[in-house]
Amino acid sequence: TQLLEQSPQFLSIQEGENLTVYCNSSSVFSSLQWYRQEPGEGPVLLVTVVTGGEVKKLKRLTFQFGDARKDSSLHITAAQPGDTGLYLCAGGSGWGKLQFGAGTQVVVTP
Amino acid sequence: GAVVSQHPSWVICKSGTSVKIECRSLDFQATTMFWYRQFPKQSLMLMATSNEGSKATYEQGVEKDKFLINHASLTLSTLTVTSAHPEDSSFYICSARVRRGDEQYFGPGTRLTVT
Repeated sequence: TQLLEQSPQFLSIQEGENLTVYCNSSSVFSSLQWYRQEPGEGPVLLVTVVTGGEVKKLKRLTFQFGDARKDSSLHITAAQPGDTGLYLCAGGSGWGKLQFGAGTQVVVTP
Repeated sequence: GAVVSQHPSWVICKSGTSVKIECRSLDFQATTMFWYRQFPKQSLMLMATSNEGSKATYEQGVEKDKFLINHASLTLSTLTVTSAHPEDSSFYICSARVRRGDEQYFGPGTRLTVT
């Protein structure tokens, strides 16, 4: 089983601050997805990265896939209360099955 | 695009009864759907992979006779929790694989409470 470790488990910051969430594994993944989930709802796909060293930007969110395709990070610049949620990384095998990290609960207070 | 719906969004049932949850891909065909279970403040746990026209593949530790999965068409998969018990109370979420690769789009989830 490929294990994905996410850190930190919980992050509480003030509006306007920056934050980074990490996703690490000893295994190589063919792809890495990041999702955000709000209470009582399903996860929403934010981004998919597939190439080692790849960097993708989505407005204030920057996603990076490690060169060896074993780790990834999510950086949020100038966080807003709307960024509050559970952030999940998920590693893909290429066959559709995903291995999820434990999640990082982010709380952004005004 | 890539919208997945679930029905019902929440259900309360009595112990010993069965409950069916539907998962539909609304604007695409999904040859593969997945069923997950999520406990409060925890991540998603994959229960089974549902392939259209074939038997579902269950993860280790998931009772296939208790959690019946049927993928009758390219847009519909169902999960039936049979003889439900209070410990089956959970948030059940389905997802659909849109194309070759690993991207999955998730439904809004179904909150099951067994009394």
